[in-house]
Amino acid sequence: DAKTTQPNSMESNEEEPVHLPCNHSTISGTDYIHWYRQLPSQGPEYVIHGLTSNVNNRMASLAIAEDRKSSTLILHRATLRDAAVYYCILSSGGGADGLTFGKGTHLIIQP
Amino acid sequence: DVKVTQSSRYLVKRTGEKVFLECVQDMDHENMFWYRQDPGLGLRLIYFSYDVKMKEKGDIPEGYSVSREKKERFSLILESASTNQTSMYLCASSLWGQDYGYTFGSGTRLTVV
Repeated sequence: DAKTTQPNSMESNEEEPVHLPCNHSTISGTDYIHWYRQLPSQGPEYVIHGLTSNVNNRMASLAIAEDRKSSTLILHRATLRDAAVYYCILSSGGGADGLTFGKGTHLIIQP
Repeated sequence: DVKVTQSSRYLVKRTGEKVFLECVQDMDHENMFWYRQDPGLGLRLIYFSYDVKMKEKGDIPEGYSVSREKKERFSLILESASTNQTSMYLCASSLWGQDYGYTFGSGTRLTVV
């Protein structure tokens, strides 16, 4: 599986936008870029995913570089409830063979 | 909303016991997965299944087996529990195809004493 690289931790202030980066320089043409987050004592939660174009949903936006070697998860207005570990994952194989989780980025939100 | 329900939130078992962890999803998903999560090691895939009665080994299948007799239910079995299987166990499901996310359960924290 192609690997992703994320910062270990990031800190942001409440009500400000947050940009979480992810590098995936060995991505293949069929790899989807997935983002999940895990709040303390809970299972991971799907945030967003995309292939080539930027994507928006009610939780976040995903900006994908033109060469697809990097992507950025954007939380438009962080709240304390967004404090979590955020995972950037590449997925292939029809989605049926599991996601490989790295260490993710621990996002700290300051009030 | 899709729900993935794990039967127990916390479980304490003795070494050598046979342990069943149950997972049920209510949205007709084809794919189901079992992960374990340990501090410093992250989430690791144990087994997965893409259809009834089908199973595939993940990255760390040793000491575990699974059963999928019905589409909505995926069971993880520890034939003889050991202390190194103390962990958080997470079940997930997804539709077939690349264009879908996974839905995770809340997890079962298993302690083997």
